Amino acid sequence: ETAVFQTPNYHVTQVGNEVSFNCKQTLGHDTMYWYKQDSKKLLKIMFSYNNKQLIVNETVPRRFSPQSSDKAHLNLRIKSVEPEDSAVYLCASSGGGARDTQYFGPGTRLLVL
Amino acid sequence: GDSVTQTEGLVTLTEGLPVMLNCTYQSTYSPFLFWYVQHLNEAPKLLLKSFTDNKRPEHQGFHATLHKSSSSFHLQKSSAQLSDSALYYCALSANYNVLYFGSGTKLTVEP
Repeated sequence: ETAVFQTPNYHVTQVGNEVSFNCKQTLGHDTMYWYKQDSKKLLKIMFSYNNKQLIVNETVPRRFSPQSSDKAHLNLRIKSVEPEDSAVYLCASSGGGARDTQYFGPGTRLLVL
Repeated sequence: GDSVTQTEGLVTLTEGLPVMLNCTYQSTYSPFLFWYVQHLNEAPKLLLKSFTDNKRPEHQGFHATLHKSSSSFHLQKSSAQLSDSALYYCALSANYNVLYFGSGTKLTVEP
């Protein structure tokens, strides 16, 4: 049963536009993450938030900015998208410990034309 | 820094044969190791993870043993099923509790 929800499922946009993706988890977790899965299926951490505070920023370009209103929501905004931003963006949540399972949402597929 | 290496990008085998997917890692810390599985058009989900008490984790017939001496956490199954066809990621979690993934192994099981 899905407990990490992402919208939209799919988004097509032009180079230079701004996009926003939403993520909500109903697991009561304190920690949320954004990962990027590229066309070669490489899966990389972008950001980690614990209870609305940024914990990890993995050398992501400055046009990416995460936003958290409460610990159940973590959104991702991309200002002025580039072609290399085309990917699947996966949101996840966990209890925050190193051995805690991370639960992933279905992803938002972004295509930049 | 933390990193995970999966040497096989593609593995194709016949139903009923054993499965072994390789995973080695590097970390400054004592990490936890995970295997995540992603079926087509689905989210990655946990398959199994390492324990601290030397138990061997098992799930859906898969098992993996953490060998700290060789920094390995290979995934094994005695008999592959068609439904095992998927993308398998080995990952580690250490200092900041984020997952560092290997490049993934696409497993295809044929009849």
